[in-house]
Amino acid sequence: EVQLVESGGLVVQPGGSLRLSCAASGFTFDDYTMHWVRQVPGKGLEWISLISWDGASTNYGDSVRGRFTISRDNTKHSLFLQMNGLRSDDTAFYYCAKGHYSHSGTFDSWGQGTLVAVSS
Amino acid sequence: DIQMTQSPSTLSASVGDRVTITCRASQGISNYLAWFQQKPGKAPKSLIYAASILHGGVPSNFSGSGSATDFTLTISSLQPEDFATYYCQQYYRYPFTFGPGTTVDIK
Repeated sequence: EVQLVESGGLVVQPGGSLRLSCAASGFTFDDYTMHWVRQVPGKGLEWISLISWDGASTNYGDSVRGRFTISRDNTKHSLFLQMNGLRSDDTAFYYCAKGHYSHSGTFDSWGQGTLVAVSS
Repeated sequence: DIQMTQSPSTLSASVGDRVTITCRASQGISNYLAWFQQKPGKAPKSLIYAASILHGGVPSNFSGSGSATDFTLTISSLQPEDFATYYCQQYYRYPFTFGPGTTVDIK
């Protein structure tokens, strides 16, 4: 069974940094593209970033490009999101999602999410 | 960026009803369209990819259709566990984008 468990969500001050982690199990992690998706409480979904199976290719949404960095450690079956220059509008639940094998731009499994709150 | 719209924003229905949700892309996206279901306080669940292919374990009363700019999600006979919010997503071009969601609630 695929399991994705996010961690690292905290309350952080504007301008601060945070690193989210996602521990993956139940599948061959290094075969799959991985994504981060976020959701402001009570609002819709926003795609944040993806990373290819080998980490060689990444892409970002407009709102986080230049501030957030996605990475992965295939030896530890882990996905990361380094978040710098945090703003109040980054407050959201952050979900890690597994890319579909042949349609890697979408997702077939999701974690339970971790809450990041940016507030002074 | 490709803009995704959904209609209606809210839909009131009864158990057993046939429900159709529409998703429209601001430009052609071929069949690079996915659908998700989300219940309050829960992570989204993946339902459909490539516009019409159900993920494993998704009940067969869900179906998807469409191509280019116009897509539909149909629930053939609404079940109690289907009351939720549904989102579409395009993954044709970066940045990937979601529709604003359609909430299916109890009539």
